[in-house]
Amino acid sequence: QVHLVQSGAEMKTPGASVKVSCKTSGYSFTSYTIHWVRQAPGQRLEWMGWINAGNGDTAYSQKFQGRVTLTRDTPASTAYMDLSSLRSEDTAVYSCARSSSGSYIDFWGQGTLVTVSS
Amino acid sequence: EIVLTQSPGTLSLSPGERATLSCRASQSISSSLAWYQQKPGQAPRLLIYGASSRATGIPDRFSGSGSGTDFTLTISSLEPEDLAVYCCHQYGSSPRTFGQGTKVEI
Repeated sequence: QVHLVQSGAEMKTPGASVKVSCKTSGYSFTSYTIHWVRQAPGQRLEWMGWINAGNGDTAYSQKFQGRVTLTRDTPASTAYMDLSSLRSEDTAVYSCARSSSGSYIDFWGQGTLVTVSS
Repeated sequence: EIVLTQSPGTLSLSPGERATLSCRASQSISSSLAWYQQKPGQAPRLLIYGASSRATGIPDRFSGSGSGTDFTLTISSLEPEDLAVYCCHQYGSSPRTFGQGTKVEI
């Protein structure tokens, strides 16, 4: 069965960076796209960007352009989300999720809480 | 960006009742809409994709309809385990966006 397992909770100070991992199993990693979505407390889900796990192509939401970098390690079937210049408003649960190219998201990771506080 | 507006915010019903949840898009998205069920501490679960196709393993009491800008998720007969937040998601236009969710209370 398909699994996306994320790294554990992080606590960061303003201005720092955070890197969250998403280890996948149960399917052909390079045949799908990995999305990153976040949900701040009391807010709706917010799409951040995607990476084509096969060729490494990426697309980012304009809101996060310049602050987020998506990468992948194909032998390890793992995707990564790096968010820099953190501020308190970035406190949220960050989730990875899978889709076929251009299609609906079908499986999600369990989410990683990132807390930004001085 | 396409804004998805869900209504109502909260739906309070009894087991066996029918639940009707709405999702309205600010622009046409054809049928590029999915519905997810979110329970506290769990990953979202795909219920419906393509506006009306039920995902694998989803009970047939869940159904989706609509196209263009107006979409509906119907739960024909509520079960206690259907207590959750239901969220719509459009994947037809970048950036992808999500509705704010409808909480179903039983």
